[in-house]
Amino acid sequence: EIVLTQSPVTLSLSPGERATLSCRASQSISSYLAWYQQKPGQAPRLLIYDASNRATGIPARFSGSGSGTDFTLTISSLEPGDFAVYYCQQGRNWPRTFGPGTKVDIK
Amino acid sequence: EVQLLESGGDLVQPGGSLRLSCAASGFTFSSYGMSWVRQAPGKGLEWVSHVTFSGSNTYYADSVKGRFTISRDNSKNTLFLQMNSLRAEDTAVYYCAKGSGNGWYDYWGQGTLITVSS
Repeated sequence: EIVLTQSPVTLSLSPGERATLSCRASQSISSYLAWYQQKPGQAPRLLIYDASNRATGIPARFSGSGSGTDFTLTISSLEPGDFAVYYCQQGRNWPRTFGPGTKVDIK
Repeated sequence: EVQLLESGGDLVQPGGSLRLSCAASGFTFSSYGMSWVRQAPGKGLEWVSHVTFSGSNTYYADSVKGRFTISRDNSKNTLFLQMNSLRAEDTAVYYCAKGSGNGWYDYWGQGTLITVSS
């Protein structure tokens, strides 16, 4: 099973600041990585797929990078609606696995 | 507009059974793999099971293998999860999710809550 590790656990930032979230895989997953945003009481929403492609309707301030084992989600300038939990997920192998999440909260 | 609507969530005793359904609309259901993903209260996301577009192949997390069965009815655009021998640790919100591309999920339902407790 591919294990995904996310860091930091919590990121405390102010609106307008840049957020950098990390996801590391226990073995190479090429670019088979997605990022999701989840707000309290809501279903996850796909942000990034194939490591660096924005999903439909996702603002350009969200960007993804990386391949192999190390991946990054960057939010260039945080808006109030961006404070949420972010999960990475690998689609390389079965079982599919998610990272434990990074919570981005307001400083 | 893609819609996924789960149903079947309930309070069930340990050892009991439950069947979840997910009604899909707004896309060609029979062309896409579908998964169930769960989230225990206050916890992260856990992938549970996947069925390919035709239903011919299925995959399970070790935590549910042998107890849960995923299936689909492409004539009714519906995904199912039969859950047997339920345990307290199965308590979670269960989401159905539409598979796409290289193993990611582009649409999710709103979730249905399963509580396993005596």
